Amino acid sequence: ETGVTQSPTHLIKTRGQQVTLRCSSQSGHNTVSWYQQALGQGPQFIFQYYREEENGRGNFPPRFSGLQFPNYSSELNVNALELDDSALYLCASSLKADGGEKLFFGSGTQLSVL
Amino acid sequence: AQTVTQSQPEMSVQEAETVTLSCTYDTSENNYYLFWYKQPPSRQMILVIRQEAYKQQNATENRFSVNFQKAAKSFSLKISDSQLGDTAMYFCAFMISTGNQFYFGTGTSLTVIP
Repeated sequence: ETGVTQSPTHLIKTRGQQVTLRCSSQSGHNTVSWYQQALGQGPQFIFQYYREEENGRGNFPPRFSGLQFPNYSSELNVNALELDDSALYLCASSLKADGGEKLFFGSGTQLSVL
Repeated sequence: AQTVTQSQPEMSVQEAETVTLSCTYDTSENNYYLFWYKQPPSRQMILVIRQEAYKQQNATENRFSVNFQKAAKSFSLKISDSQLGDTAMYFCAFMISTGNQFYFGTGTSLTVIP
């Protein structure tokens, strides 16, 4: 177990709706990253938050947004859902002080958009 | 641009035998980290092994070892004495030392046969 928890585990939405996914980081970690894993693909970087500020973003549109809270928990929000947003969304926490290159992942939220 | 290529979509190995998973990557950077992650059916990505590019010595973790060839940009994973619990998707990943995102390959599905 990595100590990173995500909720919910599964979610079904319809096109055009909005969704919020949640992540609780491993204790002591100050950085959280979100990845999208489409079926049969490797995870793709969405963005990273460090001390409540966005600290890098992948090739995802602005309708993907995030928050990191003072307790280092995090949310991923997706507006105007599209069918292609159906994927496994993975949250990963890390500690910047040690270089931040060791990611500890949660078990993900499986999002289905109908 | 950074890319990671895993050319073996599926592999199988007999229990107790040895198997090698291949990975190549492309980057113009000189300082980076390489990783192998395991994703079992539970979906949680688990760190298997990590290699710093500036280290010539190949990393080892118990039954897992890597063959890191920096000039060839190759980073293969060898699993010795394969166990049924090794059955999973294996992802090769790369991170620039000064960066904040991981680049993942498309994965290799490994099945250990009893």
